Amino acid sequence: GAGVSQSPRYKVAKRGQDVALRCDPISGHVSLFWYQQALGQGPEFLTYFQNEAQLDKSGLPSDRFFAERPEGSVSTLKIQRTQQEDSAVYLCASSLGEGWWEQYFGPGTRLTVT
Amino acid sequence: RKEVEQDPGPFNVPEGATVAFNCTYSNSASQSFFWYRQDCRKEPKLLMSVYSSGNEDGRFTAQLNRASQYISLLIRDSKLSDSATYLCVVTPGGGATNKLIFGTGTLLAVQP
Repeated sequence: GAGVSQSPRYKVAKRGQDVALRCDPISGHVSLFWYQQALGQGPEFLTYFQNEAQLDKSGLPSDRFFAERPEGSVSTLKIQRTQQEDSAVYLCASSLGEGWWEQYFGPGTRLTVT
Repeated sequence: RKEVEQDPGPFNVPEGATVAFNCTYSNSASQSFFWYRQDCRKEPKLLMSVYSSGNEDGRFTAQLNRASQYISLLIRDSKLSDSATYLCVVTPGGGATNKLIFGTGTLLAVQP
């Protein structure tokens, strides 16, 4: 079956531009997570949705980062006024729901801010 | 101090060698423990869960020591295809989100 998909796979943005990154989770997966992975580091948690509810956004690094999942399936991570330090791979993961620990990751979006 | 600490490596080993990775975590309330594998420029994938009793999956053995807050992964008879970054992962306890907390990863390069 189809896994988690993300688009675009690569994005180059000039400093100050806004970007929107899309995640299509596995069909029927209730939980959706966003992670940020800087070069040479492990992924770091950004935010978590259960269906359409954003239950944890404690990892979002600043108010320039915003995520939504309005219908409980597709999610968008938006970064406003991008900065060079936002350059990273943004990973989306989904799981069946609360109590299901295994998360399935998408291929990521590699964002480069110039 | 990072919540999950790993030796970043790289570990360069010949085919057929046995290699062990270690990881420590700082939050004693951590609930679940995993090893994920990440190939270069790919997404992380679950390798195995880690239990206090120890668990084995083929050539891979994982062990958890809750008292010492220490997790290990042993790979026997290394294959070229084992070359990847191995990420130690814990989940927070106390009813927190099911988020995953990753270590930096340990790079393994198996040489022919």
